[in-house]
Amino acid sequence: AQSVTQLDSHVSVSEGTPVLLRCNYSSSYSPSLFWYVQHPNKGLQLLLKYTSAATLVKGINGFEAEFKKSETSFHLTKPSAHMSDAAEYFCVVLGLNNAGNMLTFGGGTRLMVKP
Amino acid sequence: GAGVSQSPRYKVAKRGQDVALRCDPISGHVSLFWYQQALGQGPEFLTYFQNEAQLDKSGLPSDRFFAERPEGSVSTLKIQRTQQEDSAVYLCASSPRDRVNYGYTFGSGTRLTVV
Repeated sequence: AQSVTQLDSHVSVSEGTPVLLRCNYSSSYSPSLFWYVQHPNKGLQLLLKYTSAATLVKGINGFEAEFKKSETSFHLTKPSAHMSDAAEYFCVVLGLNNAGNMLTFGGGTRLMVKP
Repeated sequence: GAGVSQSPRYKVAKRGQDVALRCDPISGHVSLFWYQQALGQGPEFLTYFQNEAQLDKSGLPSDRFFAERPEGSVSTLKIQRTQQEDSAVYLCASSPRDRVNYGYTFGSGTRLTVV
């Protein structure tokens, strides 16, 4: 079984300051991990994915995430927040179930960016 | 098509009414998923198809929920005798066979409100 825990339900930063959204996972298998972003009334958009090729993964819009197996973490970072980054962010693990594959979502982190 | 298309975008149903939600996946994508996202929550798995075969329906909350994908492309999620607790956004996602490297593409969802 796999699970995902997003440690903060809300994060507030000022524009131009760094962003850190925390995610811990548990999985019986070597996981594939994703971060998705959801803007209000919009669909889920893939930010980046980890598939065991490299532990530091770069995504769109300046976001990146580092896979740390020893800490079972996959935290999302960005050096400088922009107002347009305000949205809901989901950490997602792809694992195996009886049917072959399933995405399991964390509870989400709402990022607020202050001017 | 260019993306995953879901219709209708919004649906208001009276309690007890039957509804049908449609998902048009990306052409050629073999895998199709349905997720339910309650307000303020992360999406939760409902069911999974590989081509026309429904390989996992363990997430369907009751026997009032039924999904089909008869020709391995368009899928319909049907909810019979809707209840207020069915109010949520219903998300559809599709992926090619190499789901790990290509990821999953989500539609914008159908927001169902049961009154």
